[in-house]
Amino acid sequence: QKEVEQNSGPLSVPEGAIASLNCTYSDRVSQSFFWYRQYSGKSPELIMSIYSNGDKEDGRFTAQLNKASQYVSLLIRDSQPSDSATYLCAVRHTGGGNKLTFGTGTQLKVEL
Amino acid sequence: EAGVVQSPRYKIIEKKQPVAFWCNPISGHNTLYWYRQNLGQGPELLIRYENEEAVDDSQLPKDRFSAERLKGVDSTLKIQPAELGDSAVYLCASSFAGTSSYEQFFGPGTRLTVL
Repeated sequence: QKEVEQNSGPLSVPEGAIASLNCTYSDRVSQSFFWYRQYSGKSPELIMSIYSNGDKEDGRFTAQLNKASQYVSLLIRDSQPSDSATYLCAVRHTGGGNKLTFGTGTQLKVEL
Repeated sequence: EAGVVQSPRYKIIEKKQPVAFWCNPISGHNTLYWYRQNLGQGPELLIRYENEEAVDDSQLPKDRFSAERLKGVDSTLKIQPAELGDSAVYLCASSFAGTSSYEQFFGPGTRLTVL
């Protein structure tokens, strides 16, 4: 079983819709969770971090964390074509220092 | 504030040749990471430095890979000799260990092609 799992997609949404990206993790004592956006041919860019259960909003992005269900999600409101990218979920484990384990990413396509 | 700087951006070599990658982290960041990202996969940690000390190199193939971080700032990752399977993007990231955020910021990466 992979430590961090994401649906590879592609997830296609129309412009203006809400895109919902999901991630599950296996290490129950994971502490910190991150979403990175990666455009084709570019490096990952940090867009959200979340540490506590509940929602965290930043502009059009909302991260949701449910530690009991070992589930973290990213919602993108009013999706734009410029949001088309691969979104990587990363998890920091207790006792792992600052080691992040990444999922394989979900490809998002926002269609006009 | 300048981000993480890496060079070169692209490198094409023949197998069995040596190659080196250089990274300059964000100013003030004491933790530096080298990751490898294969196509369609997430980055995988190769080595992590806290200042000058390599504190996690469990995923570094030590028979051919080596790294150093002299003076706790810049870092170099070397492969000698390179193999076909080493073709990937090599990413450097940095973070500041003095906060609880543990946020890591990536450089642009070096795309290595081994022929």
